[in-house]
Amino acid sequence: QQQVKQSPQSLIVQKGGISIINCAYENTAFDYFPWYQQFPGKGPALLIAIRPDVSEKKEGRFTISFNKSAKQFSLHIMDSQPGDSATYFCAASREGAQKLVFGQGTRLTINP
Amino acid sequence: DGGITQSPKYLFRKEGQNVTLSCEQNLNHDAMYWYRQDPGQGLRLIYYSQIVNDFQKGDIAEGYSVSREKKESFPLTVTSAQKNPTAFYLCASSPLLPSPLHFGNGTRLTVT
Repeated sequence: QQQVKQSPQSLIVQKGGISIINCAYENTAFDYFPWYQQFPGKGPALLIAIRPDVSEKKEGRFTISFNKSAKQFSLHIMDSQPGDSATYFCAASREGAQKLVFGQGTRLTINP
Repeated sequence: DGGITQSPKYLFRKEGQNVTLSCEQNLNHDAMYWYRQDPGQGLRLIYYSQIVNDFQKGDIAEGYSVSREKKESFPLTVTSAQKNPTAFYLCASSPLLPSPLHFGNGTRLTVT
C-alpha cells in the first residue's frame, strides 16, 4: 500500500529524443506526486510536482502526466540533452503524513 | 546562502563502532528527515522529525538513533546494531508537507 513502483531501472536515450519514466502506486490516499533529479555525489533536487486534480503539468522540457484511474504517473523529458543524464526518482505522499515514499529510481543516460 | 549541510562527505569506521552523521539546516524548516540510499533501492526513510524534541521512526529505523534538540540540527547515529551500515546517507528538510524536500549532498559511510 505504501509502495511506489518505478520503471525502468535504467534508460538510454539519444540526444534530442524523448525520455519516459513511469511510476505506479496503490494507495489512493496519495495526493502529492513530486519528481526529483539527482546527479552523482549530490543530493536529489525537486524537478516538478503534481497534485491529482490535474492530468498534466509542464515546466520547460519536463512534463508530468497523471492518470488517477490507473494510479500511474510519468515523467516525460522532451528534446533530451546530455546534461539531463542523472538518476530520477518519483515519490508520493498523502495529506497529513509528513513523509514521502520514493520509487526505486531510474538512471537516465543521454547519448550525444 | 540557505541550505542543508551534511558533514563529513566521506566517513570510514570499523565494525562495532557507533558513528554520528551531522545535518544542519538554515532554512527555518520545521521537518527534517534522514534517508538511506543503496543502489537499486531508491531512498528509504530512516527517521523524521516534525518538531523539536519529537521524532518518528521511518521504514528502516533499526540500528539507528536520532535527536532533535534544536530546530536547525538533526544528527543521525549509526549504531553497532545496524547490520549493514555501509551506504549513502541523505538528510533533508522541508516546511510541513506537501512541500519540496531540500536535500543535503550526503555522507558516504563505509564500515569495514
